[in-house]
Amino acid sequence: TQLLEQSPQFLSIQEGENLTVYCNSSSVFSSLQWYRQEPGEGPVLLVTVVTGGEVKKLKRLTFQFGDARKDSSLHITAAQPGDTGLYLCAGDGTGTASKLTFGTGTRLQVTL
Amino acid sequence: GAVVSQHPSWVICKSGTSVKIECRSLDFQATTMFWYRQFPKQSLMLMATSNEGSKATYEQGVEKDKFLINHASLTLSTLTVTSAHPEDSSFYICSAREGGPQHFGDGTRLSIL
Repeated sequence: TQLLEQSPQFLSIQEGENLTVYCNSSSVFSSLQWYRQEPGEGPVLLVTVVTGGEVKKLKRLTFQFGDARKDSSLHITAAQPGDTGLYLCAGDGTGTASKLTFGTGTRLQVTL
Repeated sequence: GAVVSQHPSWVICKSGTSVKIECRSLDFQATTMFWYRQFPKQSLMLMATSNEGSKATYEQGVEKDKFLINHASLTLSTLTVTSAHPEDSSFYICSAREGGPQHFGDGTRLSIL
């Protein structure tokens, strides 16, 4: 069974602080995705990383895929209350019927 | 584009009844649909994968007779929780893909009294 461990599990910070969320696995994935989920809603895709070592930026969010495609990180600069939510990484296999393996999740709370 | 609609968004029912949840891809044809379960403050756990016109593939530990999945068309998959009990209360989420990334519905909160 593929497992994706995220750390930290919970993070409470003040507005303006920076943070990094880690997603680690012993398995190799063809791609890795990051989602953000708010209570009572489905997860919303933030980014997909495919190439080992790849770095993608989405405004204040920076995503990195490990060289071996087993781990990833999400860095948020100058966090805002609107960043509050559950952040999930998910590893994807290959093929149209491939399954997503979701990480354990990181709950972020940003306060004023 | 790529919108997935899930219905109902919230259902409350008595123990012993069966509940059907629908998942529709509104603007694309979903060759594969997935059903997830999410407990409070936890991540998503895949329950089953369904391909149009064929039987669903269930993950280990998921009772196929308890959670009936039908994927009769390229735009609709249904999950029926049969003889639901309080321990079945959870947030159920579907997703669909045409060949690229999975697109998620907004989930169904199921509460069994």
